[in-house]
Amino acid sequence: DAGVTQSPTHLIKTRGQQVTLRCSPKSGHDTVSWYQQALGQGPQFIFQYYEEEERQRGNFPDRFSGHQFPNYSSELNVNALLLGDSALYLCASSSPRNTIYFGEGSWLTVV
Amino acid sequence: RKEVEQDPGPFNVPEGATVAFNCTYSNSASQSFFWYRQDCRKEPKLLMSVYSSGNEDGRFTAQLNRASQYISLLIRDSKLSDSATYLCVAANAGGTSYGKLTFGQGTILTVHP
Repeated sequence: DAGVTQSPTHLIKTRGQQVTLRCSPKSGHDTVSWYQQALGQGPQFIFQYYEEEERQRGNFPDRFSGHQFPNYSSELNVNALLLGDSALYLCASSSPRNTIYFGEGSWLTVV
Repeated sequence: RKEVEQDPGPFNVPEGATVAFNCTYSNSASQSFFWYRQDCRKEPKLLMSVYSSGNEDGRFTAQLNRASQYISLLIRDSKLSDSATYLCVAANAGGTSYGKLTFGQGTILTVHP
């Protein structure tokens, strides 16, 4: 049983570019959340998707958007990249009242 | 003020020591609480949930005081393998699953021989 899988694992982008990160939740999980973790900080909640809708959103600008597909997989899109967007992006999946599992993350470097 | 605040650390302890981490949260609407462990450049992994009655898992004991909005983690008989960053987490409700997780900044623990 595969856990939460994320792609790509590492990527480098230039300021102003756009990036798409992908996440496949653990089998049986229907809820996907995205987090940003800057160096030396705890993860910060970006948003959560359930039944293909954004259910909760953290304090992130509209440059951060997402999508959930019918198979529960999800994408995180970031437009107009800034240097400060460099971070580890974590996807977490869960099912009703069950443990939340994190993927290994996507390391984004903006230069 | 951050929603979840932890001891700044870092903690550097010898094997066999007992170490305690403290955490406070400011959102009284938080419903569930956890300690996560994160190894260097890895994803966070659930260490244990935290209940008001207190709970123990081997060498680890977690406590929650809702009145004080305070959470703690005690590690007894520290092992080298306990070296990691420990993250205090508060969760609200969201749909049918746990909603937003709010993490503290993490406390680095190094256990040395």
